[in-house]
Amino acid sequence: NAGVTQTPKFQVLKTGQSMTLQCAQDMNHEYMSWYRQDPGMGLRLIHYSVGAGITDQGEVPNGYNVSRSTTEDFPLRLLSAAPSQTSVYFCASSPPNRGQETQYFGPGTRLLVL
Amino acid sequence: GIQVEQSPPDLILQEGANSTLRCNFSDSVNNLQWFHQNPWGQLINLFYIPSGTKQNGRLSATTVATERYSLLYISSSQTTDSGVYFCAVPYTGTASKLTFGTGTRLQVTL
Repeated sequence: NAGVTQTPKFQVLKTGQSMTLQCAQDMNHEYMSWYRQDPGMGLRLIHYSVGAGITDQGEVPNGYNVSRSTTEDFPLRLLSAAPSQTSVYFCASSPPNRGQETQYFGPGTRLLVL
Repeated sequence: GIQVEQSPPDLILQEGANSTLRCNFSDSVNNLQWFHQNPWGQLINLFYIPSGTKQNGRLSATTVATERYSLLYISSSQTTDSGVYFCAVPYTGTASKLTFGTGTRLQVTL
C-alpha cells in the first residue's frame, strides 16, 4: 500500500490564481480530511468527507472547495489564492472501523502564495 | 469549540533522559490521539487512547478522561525522537475531525 499520497509537494502561486491539491489513498478508508498547518501551530481542519459524495466544512473552510466522487480521491481546490493561504496542507484518511479511528496523514503540500 | 493545551511548548533533553508531555482539553471527549511530526514534516500516529494506558516500546500514554488530560511518556530518549508532539481530540462527533493542540517541540541532543 502507498498509504496517503499528495501532489504536488511544493507549489508557488500568485494572488488570484486557482489550483487543486490532490490527495489519494489506497486503504479503502471511508473518512478523508484536509488540514492546514501554519508556523508554530497545530493543524486546523478545512473540510472533511465521510464517504463518496458526502462532504462538510471544518474549522477554516473559507476559500476552499472539495468534492469526493470516489472513495480513493479527495481533491482540495483553492478558488482564488490569497497570501493568507500560504501554509502546509495535509490530507488524512481514517479506516471505517468504529472505535479505532486512527488517522493516517499524507506527506503534505507546501504552498506559497505571493 | 473544544480547547486543547499542551505543555511544555519546548523541551530539550540529553539522549537517554526521560520526559513527560501533557495535554489538557476543555470538554469531555470520547477519544484522543497523539502524533509525532518528525523534522521532515511527516505526521505519524503514536496512540489512539480514549482512556487508560497504552505502551509501545519506549513510549507510553495515559488518558484520564474524567479529569480531561492525557500524558505522553518518553523513556530513554533518542535523537530520532526529536520533532513536535501533538495531541488531538474530536472537533465534533467522530474522531476523524480533529482539533489539535499547538504541540510540544522536543529536541534530543547527544
